[in-house]
Amino acid sequence: EAEVAQSPRYKITEKSQAVAFWCDPISGHATLYWYRQILGQGPELLVQFQDESVVDDSQLPKDRFSAERLKGVDSTLKIQPAELGDSAMYLCASSLSTGDGYTFGSGTRLTVV
Amino acid sequence: DAKTTQPNSMESNEEEPVHLPCNHSTISGTDYIHWYRQLPSQGPEYVIHGLTSNVNNRMASLAIAEDRKSSTLILHRATLRDAAVYYCILRGLSGYSTLTFGKGTMLLVSP
Repeated sequence: EAEVAQSPRYKITEKSQAVAFWCDPISGHATLYWYRQILGQGPELLVQFQDESVVDDSQLPKDRFSAERLKGVDSTLKIQPAELGDSAMYLCASSLSTGDGYTFGSGTRLTVV
Repeated sequence: DAKTTQPNSMESNEEEPVHLPCNHSTISGTDYIHWYRQLPSQGPEYVIHGLTSNVNNRMASLAIAEDRKSSTLILHRATLRDAAVYYCILRGLSGYSTLTFGKGTMLLVSP
């Protein structure tokens, strides 16, 4: 069964450092999502891509977060500088199109120390 | 987005049926009811979705009230592997509608 690949699986970084997460969606999936999940809460959407274009980044803290999907395939989410409050699970998901069900990756667990 | 209300947690015994409730009194006519679940240390996975009629698949059944203000996810025989957080989500038909997760229901399954 096709999967959404994410790396790294775990990341520990010091505050004020830069950190990046990578996501490779299921082949052919045009829509890609990045979510953040704080322990004990449900995932919250950070950014949504349709192909290479951002269609919703209203919840992305743009002063420190950036996301790109240059060729409309894989995507990178960056945080610079990281803050203690950024410690969370970062989940990537993809769907065939905007109305279809999502397939999530296993996430990247970020710890900022 | 219309909101859903779910119990924080539920308990079940293995091999017994489980009924997970969800209230969505402000649902609109074009909102689909989606259920996802999240096993420990994994991303959420799709379970089932429906609009008006009851739905069945290999994982579960979805029973939707006639007025659509509530729904119930039914696991016919719970296993230990069904222990997870279950999210009930309303999703509209607008072009770029997304999944908005609440806190969900944590299902505990005892042997």
